[in-house]
Amino acid sequence: GIQVEQSPPDLILQEGANSTLRCNFSDSVNNLQWFHQNPWGQLINLFYIPSGTKQNGRLSATTVATERYSLLYISSSQTTDSGVYFCAVYTGGFKTIFGAGTRLFVKA
Amino acid sequence: EPEVTQTPSHQVTQMGQEVILRCVPISNHLYFYWYRQILGQKVEFLVSFYNNEISEKSEIFDDQFSVERPDGSNFTLKIRSTKLEDSAMYFCASSDRDRGQPQHFGDGTRLSIL
Repeated sequence: GIQVEQSPPDLILQEGANSTLRCNFSDSVNNLQWFHQNPWGQLINLFYIPSGTKQNGRLSATTVATERYSLLYISSSQTTDSGVYFCAVYTGGFKTIFGAGTRLFVKA
Repeated sequence: EPEVTQTPSHQVTQMGQEVILRCVPISNHLYFYWYRQILGQKVEFLVSFYNNEISEKSEIFDDQFSVERPDGSNFTLKIRSTKLEDSAMYFCASSDRDRGQPQHFGDGTRLSIL
């Protein structure tokens, strides 16, 4: 089956710093979503981005489907950005495969 | 904005007991899913449901698990005889007419098996 790899596994930032999270996938996908799991366990949908670039405030994402990767950019990080970031890919069956996540901690 | 709702938020059950987790998907959505996340691990697909039948299931979804859409609004996950290793967060999700569309997740039910 398709493999989804995220990097880095852990990231510590000083408040105000920028970061890039990466998601590689091993096969063609029909869609890709980025989620933020907050400290209470909720999965917050950030982007639905099968291809191209999208921006939402301090966050933006780019997916290059032909090269099988997606990037999530966080600018001017805040302590509330802490949590785990997951990418999840959908391959055309009926299931979505999640990566192992990037655990982000933003220090004040 | 419409959202997926899950109840209860936390369920504590004795090992061997049956448990039913409940979900109300977004009203015009047609595809429904359950996922599981063991503490500290990644989110794992359990089962998808469309047109009143299971579309796909993972190897985790064995005979102890079942899903049902008993009416036009609820979607349930039943675990027949719970084991300690069933302790996890369970997420329900739904998507609309095209199964490639983004999935909307509920806030999850934390299941603790004693």
